[in-house]
Amino acid sequence: KQEVTQIPAALSVPEGENLVLNCSFTDSAIYNLQWFRQDPGKGLTSLLLIQSSQREQTSGRLNASLDKSSGRSTLYIAASQPGDSATYLCAVGKTSGSRLTFGEGTQLTVNP
Amino acid sequence: DAGITQSPRHKVTETGTPVTLRCHQTENHRYMYWYRQDPGHGLRLIHYSYGVKDTDKGEVSDGYSVSRSKTEDFLLTLESATSSQTSVYFCAISGNGGRSSYNEQFFGPGTRLTVL
Repeated sequence: KQEVTQIPAALSVPEGENLVLNCSFTDSAIYNLQWFRQDPGKGLTSLLLIQSSQREQTSGRLNASLDKSSGRSTLYIAASQPGDSATYLCAVGKTSGSRLTFGEGTQLTVNP
Repeated sequence: DAGITQSPRHKVTETGTPVTLRCHQTENHRYMYWYRQDPGHGLRLIHYSYGVKDTDKGEVSDGYSVSRSKTEDFLLTLESATSSQTSVYFCAISGNGGRSSYNEQFFGPGTRLTVL
């Protein structure tokens, strides 16, 4: 059974800092990995999707990397802003169109 | 905006009553999913659909049923609601090759259900 772990569970940083969020998964036979952000009381917003054949994806200040063989992904946020404060979730899919298995998230607070 | 809505957004009901939640999408995605989110458990899949009238169970399907009679609508029914089904329910969609990645999942705003 796939298990996804995100460490740390919570992180507080000053504005402007570059930071890394970690995600690990137990079964390396994944099809894709997706990063989301969730604001309190809201739904999930997709940030980045990495296919298993890719090593990284970038969108603005966000960069996600994938090392499938070691079962790890990182989400790099450059020059953090208070508006980045949210819970960040990673999830892995086993096949095309399949369910996602989620980690419990990292709650990020960026202080002005 | 992936064109996905959920209704109702909030509902309070009593134990033993049936409840139906609706997910509606406007962009012809093939796959639709129902997840629930609970503290300490994260998001877990209840049921999913890979086409009209094609559905399958997820990891927490007991006490739930689904139906998909047309592409745009996916209904989740709690046959006889229990307090353990108090949760936030999210619908998700994927599988539209004309929009970003085929496998990228997009989530609705959620339905907060309280069973008294």
